[in-house]
Amino acid sequence: AQSVSQHNHHVILSEAASLELGCNYSYGGTVNLFWYVQYPGQHLQLLLKYFSGDPLVKGIKGFEAEFIKSKFSFNLRKPSVQWSDTAEYFCAVKSFSGGYNKLIFGAGTRLAVHP
Amino acid sequence: GAVVSQHPSWVICKSGTSVKIECRSLDFQATTMFWYRQFPKQSLMLMATSNEGSKATYEQGVEKDKFLINHASLTLSTLTVTSAHPEDSSFYICSAMTGGGYEQYFGPGTRLTVT
Repeated sequence: AQSVSQHNHHVILSEAASLELGCNYSYGGTVNLFWYVQYPGQHLQLLLKYFSGDPLVKGIKGFEAEFIKSKFSFNLRKPSVQWSDTAEYFCAVKSFSGGYNKLIFGAGTRLAVHP
Repeated sequence: GAVVSQHPSWVICKSGTSVKIECRSLDFQATTMFWYRQFPKQSLMLMATSNEGSKATYEQGVEKDKFLINHASLTLSTLTVTSAHPEDSSFYICSAMTGGGYEQYFGPGTRLTVT
């Protein structure tokens, strides 16, 4: 079955620490990859997306992600987190194999940044 | 641009009654809209996909007679929860996509509480 896995369910960091959140997917063929953020009490916002081209994607607020096709991964990174990055982060994948074009979300990673 | 609104933002209803939630694309035409539900501290689960003027396609396990979806225009989709029960209490989120588009834009969500 097609799936999206986020390895870390809950991450706690101090301000200025580096962040890496893992995301793996099980789709074959062409994929579009996304990272969304949901701040407490707010709706989903797009952090960054990968459609094609340079596998290193830069998004808003200093986030970046790297698509590694051979590993079916799209990990999210930020060199130095801030308290305001406290939120839930969702990896999502849209596959176009066999007409399957649904956006499927991972379970999410809850990030808490302590000042 | 690409704003999606939902109404109401929260609703409380009694068990056995029906509730309608509206999803509107404010500044673009959405040929496809998606409905998700999100349980507390969990990911978004796709309920159904609707294309303007067509019947919605429901995900496995989602009761189409309970969750009625209507996508009557290019800017409006509605989700009606019929004969609501406490277990239907959840956060319902819609998203919209333009024709041929790859990116989905998310609404702010509607919190439904069934007493």
